[in-house]
Amino acid sequence: SQQGEEDPQALSIQEGENATMNCSYKTSINNLQWYRQNSGRGLVHLILIRSNEREKHSGRLRVTLDTSKKSSSLLITASRAADTASYFCATPTSGSARQLTFGSGTQLTVLP
Amino acid sequence: DTEVTQTPKHLVMGMTNKKSLKCEQHMGHRAMYWYKQKAKKPPELMFVYSYEKLSINESVPSRFSPECPNSSLLNLHLHALQPEDSALYLCASSQQGSTGELFFGEGSRLTVL
Repeated sequence: SQQGEEDPQALSIQEGENATMNCSYKTSINNLQWYRQNSGRGLVHLILIRSNEREKHSGRLRVTLDTSKKSSSLLITASRAADTASYFCATPTSGSARQLTFGSGTQLTVLP
Repeated sequence: DTEVTQTPKHLVMGMTNKKSLKCEQHMGHRAMYWYKQKAKKPPELMFVYSYEKLSINESVPSRFSPECPNSSLLNLHLHALQPEDSALYLCASSQQGSTGELFFGEGSRLTVL
């Protein structure tokens, strides 16, 4: 079963706007990760946030984690057409760092 | 560019065929994974190898048979597949004892006729 659920399922924005995606999960975690997948390609790791961190930045990416609400958000600022992709959150399952379960994903479309 | 290489990129096979998907990584990672992904769905874990030993099998049908010949290679042998097995098969690797970051290959797109 899926650990994480993401919303929205699909998001369409104009180039230059910010995009926010949310992920909710069910069990206690020691970290949460975000991945990006271009259509028909492999997944690429974007960022990892540990359970004792509340916010993390990487370039135009900002990730927050609220363990009390079991939720995370990914913000992409100043979006570009090249950011068009599916974005998945992922969490370790049952405390095992070697097994990740992926959320349902958000399809982001950035219009030029 | 990905450091996990998967071959072939595309594979079309009949239900009576036997074929194999191959995955190779040279990052010194000791954990390797097979995921299956259907269109517009998240990847679903199939198998995990840790130090060349099968550590997780997510109740995958026996028509999928994984093999880990050495720490750099991972195969997935396919036999008597069904059309519903058509999907993108993703290989990934990670450092043993790491925080779980996965490095994915580009996938093998499988079509079963």
